Amino acid sequence: GNSVTQMEGPVTLSEEAFLTINCTYTATGYPSLFWYVQYPGEGLQLLLKATKADDKGSNKGFEATYRKETTSFHLEKGSVQVSDSAVYFCALSDSGGSNYKLTFGKGTLLTVNP
Amino acid sequence: DSGVTQTPKHLITATGQRVTLRCSPRSGDLSVYWYQQSLDQGLQFLIQYYNGEERAKGNILERFSAQQFPDLHSELNLSSLELGDSALYFCASSVYGNRDPEAFFGQGTRLTVV
Repeated sequence: GNSVTQMEGPVTLSEEAFLTINCTYTATGYPSLFWYVQYPGEGLQLLLKATKADDKGSNKGFEATYRKETTSFHLEKGSVQVSDSAVYFCALSDSGGSNYKLTFGKGTLLTVNP
Repeated sequence: DSGVTQTPKHLITATGQRVTLRCSPRSGDLSVYWYQQSLDQGLQFLIQYYNGEERAKGNILERFSAQQFPDLHSELNLSSLELGDSALYFCASSVYGNRDPEAFFGQGTRLTVV
């Protein structure tokens, strides 16, 4: 079945540091790929998405490129802020047949220190 | 605010009991998804409904059941509760059932079984 593997956390960075959170996936067909973010005490929010190979999703300074050849969707940000501290989830959509569901990675806790 | 409302926010109950979690999707969304988030299992898909019909099932225990009503709100029923059922339960909604627009998540119901 489909699966998502993302780098184990926690990740601790200083403000303005470069961020990479690795995500690889296994899927049949052509899934869409997502990054969701969960701030403390809140639900998940969509951060960015890409629906086909070589697409780049971007939002709030975060970027991720859908790489079919390496089955990856790594999240990057050039300069993190304290407010970026959250749990980040990589996910893929399973739209096989008439169903649709998201399969999530286990999440990576990011802490950014001032 | 995602527009998805979950009640209650917190629930504490004893082993063997039964509880009902409620979800109101965003206005216009026909699909509702239930996820369980625990420290050891991460974010697990439980079940999906589309316009009142069950569409997909994930790792949902037989002790758990769900339904979606004509007004599109959904309820997740958990019975014969065990300590291991303690988790954060999320509801998400999206417009379609078989395409991949983004899913909008509620803030979750934290269930504690004592």
